[in-house]
Amino acid sequence: QSALTQPASVSGSPGQSITISCTGSNRDIGGYRYVSWYQQHPGKAPKLMIHEASNRPSGVSNRFSGSKSGNTAFLTISGLQAEDEAHYYCSSFTSTGTLFGGGTKVTVL
Amino acid sequence: QVQLQESGPGLVKPSETLSLTCTVSGGSLSNYYWSWIRQPPGKALEWIGYISYSGSTTYTPSLNSRVTILIDTSKNQFSLKLRSVTAADTAVYYCAREPVEKLGAFDVWGPGTMVTVSS
Repeated sequence: QSALTQPASVSGSPGQSITISCTGSNRDIGGYRYVSWYQQHPGKAPKLMIHEASNRPSGVSNRFSGSKSGNTAFLTISGLQAEDEAHYYCSSFTSTGTLFGGGTKVTVL
Repeated sequence: QVQLQESGPGLVKPSETLSLTCTVSGGSLSNYYWSWIRQPPGKALEWIGYISYSGSTTYTPSLNSRVTILIDTSKNQFSLKLRSVTAADTAVYYCAREPVEKLGAFDVWGPGTMVTVSS
């Protein structure tokens, strides 16, 4: 199974909003509600930011929001801050386990 | 709160078996799936497989023939064995927790351990 498709990089200025896409198929994103997003800073373990496409775990800033349409999921970061600069990975449940995206580097200009 | 910690050799020779253990502290193993996830240097995350409290397993198809995940509920540990390793298996290996009601949502991770495959 191929990895989910994410843009390699996205950038924005402080205060702006950015959106990262994650494209799969009806065998993963399109077939289940179990889409998650992770933030990873260099040298650190990933941190769960969104689960079930649009749910934020306790403690995650409400500047992070998720949505899904068909075979594509989206992560939006509003009010971009310097601390948001990191890699972001999407994932989806599938019938053979979890599939991750290739990752997106977010740069705060 | 729950914490996970990976342990095991940082260097494994080609063709040998990579063995790692994840120790879970501050919580129970029940009601969760317990996964291994790896990340080659500079590359994306790759899910390896998971085990349930009862011992049922699912592995990613590409590694299915080489992977075994076991659980020891008496020690609050689960383990990974990856056979016949090559340089392509060099990666940071993470263990992670997944609530059974939130599939794919890895909400607690270990810090990760770097494993290098080299002679």
